[in-house]
Amino acid sequence: DAEITQSPRHKITETGRQVTLACHQTWNHNNMFWYRQDLGHGLRLIHYSYGVQDTNKGEVSDGYSVSRSNTEDLPLTLESAASSQTSVYFCASSADRDSAEAFFGQGTRLTVV
Amino acid sequence: AQRVTQPEKLLSVFKGAPVELKCNYSYSGSPELFWYVQYSRQRLQLLLRHISRESIKGFTADLNKGETSFHLKKPFAQEEDSAMYYCALRSQGGSEKLVFGKGTKLTVNP
Repeated sequence: DAEITQSPRHKITETGRQVTLACHQTWNHNNMFWYRQDLGHGLRLIHYSYGVQDTNKGEVSDGYSVSRSNTEDLPLTLESAASSQTSVYFCASSADRDSAEAFFGQGTRLTVV
Repeated sequence: AQRVTQPEKLLSVFKGAPVELKCNYSYSGSPELFWYVQYSRQRLQLLLRHISRESIKGFTADLNKGETSFHLKKPFAQEEDSAMYYCALRSQGGSEKLVFGKGTKLTVNP
């Protein structure tokens, strides 16, 4: 069965370190998204991609970057982790057709100390 | 700009009571509206999309373009409906970003 997986599930890192969160999907979807989930803010879009070599900034992209070298993967990198980036991160993918459902990963809980 | 507003952060009802989770949106184009649900310790999953006009787990939602609303309703809430509910909007066309509201946490008490 097709799926979308994130790794790691939990991560503790120190302020200033570079961290990469992995997202892998086997749906063969062109669209992939990264969100962060915070109490009181819901889901906020960080970065998204509509296909290989395409990346776009979302509403909270500062301090984050992504790259799309193949269809299956969209890794999210925190260039220099800050305590404000402590959050739960969700990756999602969807097909590029009307009303397509977005499929979500299990989430990565990141703590920056 | 696309915007989704869910005015209630928390909603608590008793089992068997009707429930309505409000969602209003702001978008000048042709929107697609969705409801996603996140049960405790599970990933987000699609509950409803406006285009299908179906009832899922007893929930329905009607897109009202005049009021720019997409409220989620269920006539008789069940305890297993307790979850976090997110309203989401996307521009028609498929290849567009999905924008979420801040979510409403629904608690159904026995």
